[in-house]
Parts: sequence; C-alpha cells; structure tokens
Amino acid sequence: DGGITQSPKYLFRKEGQNVTLSCEQNLNHDAMYWYRQDPGQGLRLIYYSQIVNDFQKGDIAEGYSVSREKKESFPLTVTSAQKNPTAFYLCASSSINQPQHFGDGTRLSIL
Amino acid sequence: ELKVEQNPLFLSMQEGKNYTIYCNYSTTSDRLYWYRQDPGKSLESLFVLLSNGAVKQEGRLMASLDTKARLSTLHITAAVHDLSATYFCAVDFMEYGNKLVFGAGTILRVKS
Repeated sequence: DGGITQSPKYLFRKEGQNVTLSCEQNLNHDAMYWYRQDPGQGLRLIYYSQIVNDFQKGDIAEGYSVSREKKESFPLTVTSAQKNPTAFYLCASSSINQPQHFGDGTRLSIL
Repeated sequence: ELKVEQNPLFLSMQEGKNYTIYCNYSTTSDRLYWYRQDPGKSLESLFVLLSNGAVKQEGRLMASLDTKARLSTLHITAAVHDLSATYFCAVDFMEYGNKLVFGAGTILRVKS
C-alpha cells in the first residue's frame, strides 16, 4: 500500500544530543514537509522540499536541519540548538494541487 | 501576514444536534482543506475545496468555501459520538509559494 512512514513512533533526546526523525514515502510525491504540533495547537511548518536536493525553511526552522537526497526520503534532525524540542512531529507529502498526506507522527520528549 | 482563524476552538454538543465550525483567512486563496485528527493520531484529509462556491459533503459533514468573504464552513448535521475529534482547516496561499497555513483546530466533543 502507498503511504508515508515515520519512525520511530516515540523518541527521547538527552541534553546536547542531536536526533534524527525518519520520513519515507512511496506515493511518488515531489513535495515533502515537516511540521511540529504542540499540545492543543495547530501545525507549524519547519521545513519543506519541492524537489530532490532542494529545501526551504518554514516558519520555525531554527534548531532543525533536513536533507532531500532521494525523492522518497526527507529526514529531519533536531539539533541541540533546539531548546524546546518536546512535541509531536508530522511529516507530509503531496503532489501539485493535491492535499498533503500525513504520516503517523513521531512523539519526541526530553530525558 | 498569513493568518487562518478557526472558531470555536472547543465545541461540546449533544448527539443529534447541528453546528458549524468557521474558518477565516487573511488574504486571497481559492484552495482550502479540512482535516480530522483523532487524539494521538495523524491528520486525515476530509475535504478539498478548490474554487469559490465549492461545496463538498461526506456523511454528516458538509464543507463550503466563499473566497470573496475568505471564509470556509464545516457544518455538522445530527452529530454522533464518532465525530468527536479535532478538525483543522488549512489554507493554501498560492501567491506565497503554495504555503499551507493551518488553523489552531476545533476540538469537537459529541456527548451521548
């Protein structure tokens, strides 16, 4: 079945540590996105990529980094510079003029 | 500034009742999406509204778009418990590089 796979489902970060969240899609979508969701709030855009080897900052990119080496994959690294990383992270992908499809999310917490 | 406002943010309603969730946005767009999110889960696409006057219906939910008023509504008819979830609208601001901006979400609780 086509879809978006995020892993892991739960992740714990120690102080000063970088962690990487995986996002893979087999929908052949060109565009991929990373969002952060805090409790009781909407989604905020971290980074997005409309084509391989290219990506743009969203509204809250500080403390995060991404890469887009393959069409299917868009990993997000939460660096130690992100001082408040505890949140629910959602990856999405889409074709042009189509709604974004979302993965099941990764819940990140601080140890 | 690109803003999307939903109201109400919380809605508690009895089964069998009707209600409407509103989504206002700040600047021109004729593409809007509605999503549903269950607790601890991801977002599920409900409706895609692509032009002024667009109306879509699925079961007890009906969504509409008025691009002149910059307003979308999600109408719930004869609510049932299974509709309890958080509902988000998201506006595609095409003139800003297809930036998708989400509303804060409306938490809907349907009481038996």
